[in-house]
Amino acid sequence: GESVGLHLPTLSVQEGDNSIINCAYSNSASDYFIWYKQESGKGPQFIIDIRSNMDKRQGQRVTVLLNKTVKHLSLQIAATQPGDSAVYFCAALSYNTDKLIFGTGTRLQVFP
Amino acid sequence: SAVISQKPSRDICQRGTSLTIQCQVDSQVTMMFWYRQQPGQSLTLIATANQGSEATYESGFVIDKFPISRPNLTFSTLTVSNMSPEDSSIYLCSVQLNRNEQFFGPGTRLTVL
Repeated sequence: GESVGLHLPTLSVQEGDNSIINCAYSNSASDYFIWYKQESGKGPQFIIDIRSNMDKRQGQRVTVLLNKTVKHLSLQIAATQPGDSAVYFCAALSYNTDKLIFGTGTRLQVFP
Repeated sequence: SAVISQKPSRDICQRGTSLTIQCQVDSQVTMMFWYRQQPGQSLTLIATANQGSEATYESGFVIDKFPISRPNLTFSTLTVSNMSPEDSSIYLCSVQLNRNEQFFGPGTRLTVL
């Protein structure tokens, strides 16, 4: 079946360092990918997205990289701050469905 | 964007009872979704609720257990029926403004004793 998975359940980084969160997907029909941030007690919040015809997209302090060959994407957070502490999910949309399939999530912990 | 509110924000219920969760959006949207997020887990889609049609349920979810209403373009309810402790989860509604814009409510944290 279709799946979107993450490599690491928890990532601990020091404040100011860069963070890299990885995600793998299995459905070749996936053509749109989104990263969400979920803070405790809140719903997922959109961070950045990327279409399958791109391999890189940058936002403010965040970059998403997509490698369609190996069905892998990553979220890079530059100069990680305490406010970045949250669970991060990747999600994928396929061109034949409007249903978002979520990955398992990575908890990012930022320590001083 | 869309502002989404859910009621209740949390509840503690006895097994065998039912709880109805409300989702209100600040704009008219066609596509709404209900998700379940079990403790420490990711989000799993329960059903798609489009106004004017019956909800479409994902594998493993049935209407008798999770009846959904969608009376208009700004409101939906999800009922968790005949609850058991395994139903303890966060239930989230979301709306899709465009294919690449899906926003989530704050969630309803349900604990079943």
